[in-house]
Amino acid sequence: DGGITQSPKYLFRKEGQNVTLSCEQNLNHDAMYWYRQDPGQGLRLIYYSQIVNDFQKGDIAEGYSVSREKKESFPLTVTSAQKNPTAFYLCASSSGQYARDFGAGTRLSVL
Amino acid sequence: QKEVEQDPGPLSVPEGAIVSLNCTYSNSAFQYFMWYRQYSRKGPELLMYTYSSGNKEDGRFTAQVDKSSKYISLFIRDSQPSDSATYLCAMTAGGTSYGKLTFGQGTILTVHP
Repeated sequence: DGGITQSPKYLFRKEGQNVTLSCEQNLNHDAMYWYRQDPGQGLRLIYYSQIVNDFQKGDIAEGYSVSREKKESFPLTVTSAQKNPTAFYLCASSSGQYARDFGAGTRLSVL
Repeated sequence: QKEVEQDPGPLSVPEGAIVSLNCTYSNSAFQYFMWYRQYSRKGPELLMYTYSSGNKEDGRFTAQVDKSSKYISLFIRDSQPSDSATYLCAMTAGGTSYGKLTFGQGTILTVHP
């Protein structure tokens, strides 16, 4: 079955630590996206990538980094510079102009 | 002021009711409009996608767009307990705004038997 796999499902970060969230898709989509969801605020775009080895900042990129070395993979690193990382992180992909298919999400908490 | 405002707040209706969910927006560049459904602790799934002003129907769901008023709606007929979820509107200008969806804050819908 085609889809988007995010791992882990739950993640805990210690202060000063960088953590990486995994996102893999087998839909053969060119574009991939990372969103952050906080209660009562909808989804906000962190980073997106239209093609391999290229990505653009979204609305809230500070404290995050990404890479796109393979079409299938778009990992997100939450760095220690992100002072309020607790949120639900969603990865998405599409072959068109908007995020169509979403993964099941990673819930990040701070210890 | 947020670019996209979604209402109502949490909504509880009896099974069989007609549900109306609404979003207003301020950016006249928005051209593409979507509705997503998100079950608890899951990723959103695309329900409806519309481009032009007017109505688009899919089963029990109808999406309505009024670009002149900058207003979109989602109607659910004969609501079922399985419709209980958070509903998110989203929109984009397309073109050079590729991939940049702006979401409403979501409406939590509960349909009780």
